[in-house]
Amino acid sequence: EPEVTQTPSHQVTQMGQEVILRCVPISNHLYFYWYRQILGQKVEFLVSFYNNEISEKSEIFDDQFSVERPDGSNFTLKIRSTKLEDSAMYFCASSAWDIGSYNEQFFGPGTRLTVL
Amino acid sequence: GQSLEQPSEVTAVEGAIVQINCTYQTSGFYGLSWYQQHDGGAPTFLSYNALDGLEETGRFSSFLSRSDSYGYLLLQELQMKDSASYFCAVRPPNQGGKLIFGQGTELSVKP
Repeated sequence: EPEVTQTPSHQVTQMGQEVILRCVPISNHLYFYWYRQILGQKVEFLVSFYNNEISEKSEIFDDQFSVERPDGSNFTLKIRSTKLEDSAMYFCASSAWDIGSYNEQFFGPGTRLTVL
Repeated sequence: GQSLEQPSEVTAVEGAIVQINCTYQTSGFYGLSWYQQHDGGAPTFLSYNALDGLEETGRFSSFLSRSDSYGYLLLQELQMKDSASYFCAVRPPNQGGKLIFGQGTELSVKP
């Protein structure tokens, strides 16, 4: 069964450093998302991406964040200068369509980011 | 804006039936989804209600009442493996497909 994959599973970085989180969405999906979950809290939307551009972004997704689809398979989230409060689990998700009401999103296993 | 409220914890015994409620305040959304998450792993899709009423998928059922701003997930014949966090989520229209999640309900199934 096709699945979303993410690398690395864990990332430890120093405050102020840049990190790139990588995702390979399901191959025939067209819509891509990043969410994050601070330990013990709810899953929060960061950004959605379609047709090589951002469709929607949250207040969390400030100028320090960027997304890219560098080739036909990868989808990346870059944090330019990490802060302590960026420590969280970051989930990538993808969906086949966004037509009408139905939109099942498939989530990857996550990257746990720890900022020291 | 949108907000969704769920109980933080629910405990039940194996074989029982449990209902996890979700009340929401939102200006509009396509439908109510439910996701399961084991031990901080990937949320996995369980169920979706576009319209009012009951949707059944095996041991899991989900219900939506837009007039009452309320939905629930019903889990029957509980198994130990059902111990997990359960999140309700809504998808607002014209916002890039984003999902807005509730705080999650941690279900503990006891023998």
